[in-house]
Amino acid sequence: TQLLEQSPQFLSIQEGENLTVYCNSSSVFSSLQWYRQEPGEGPVLLVTVVTGGEVKKLKRLTFQFGDARKDSSLHITAAQPGDTGLYLCAGIGTASKLTFGTGTRLQVTL
Amino acid sequence: NAGVTQTPKFQVLKTGQSMTLQCAQDMNHNSMYWYRQDPGMGLRLIYYSASEGTTDKGEVPNGYNVSRLNKREFSLRLESAAPSQTSVYFCASRTGTGGSQPQHFGDGTRLSIL
Repeated sequence: TQLLEQSPQFLSIQEGENLTVYCNSSSVFSSLQWYRQEPGEGPVLLVTVVTGGEVKKLKRLTFQFGDARKDSSLHITAAQPGDTGLYLCAGIGTASKLTFGTGTRLQVTL
Repeated sequence: NAGVTQTPKFQVLKTGQSMTLQCAQDMNHNSMYWYRQDPGMGLRLIYYSASEGTTDKGEVPNGYNVSRLNKREFSLRLESAAPSQTSVYFCASRTGTGGSQPQHFGDGTRLSIL
């Protein structure tokens, strides 16, 4: 079974702070996705990274795929309360099945 | 746009009871998935259906069965519910199995087994 560990598990910060969430595995993935989930809803895709070393930016969010395609990071600049939620990474491996990470719960307060 | 619809949204069962969770998508997607979400464990794949007429086991299939009724509908059945199956269940769909297309999720079914 491919495992994806996310860190930190919980993060509580104030508006305007920066943060980084990490997603690590011992397995190689063909690509990796990041999802955000809000209470009472299903996850929603934020981004897909495909190439080792790839960096993608989505407004204040920066996603990076590791050179070896085993890890990824999500950096949020100047966090806002609207960024609050559960962030999940998901690696795409054999048979294009997704393996989800353990999740990082982010709380941004005023 | 309805997307992926799951019913019911909440359910409480007694140990040993059976029930079926329903899922329907209106996006003409080929692939459908069932996950369970437990605290600190992310989402774990129970079963999936790559296309109409096919189903395959995921990471945690024991205690569950599925039916791909047609292209739109994919149901999950608990034959004899156990407390360990208390969880939030998500259904998802996507266009195909290849590449990195996004999965579209329903809003979940919160299931408690006493």
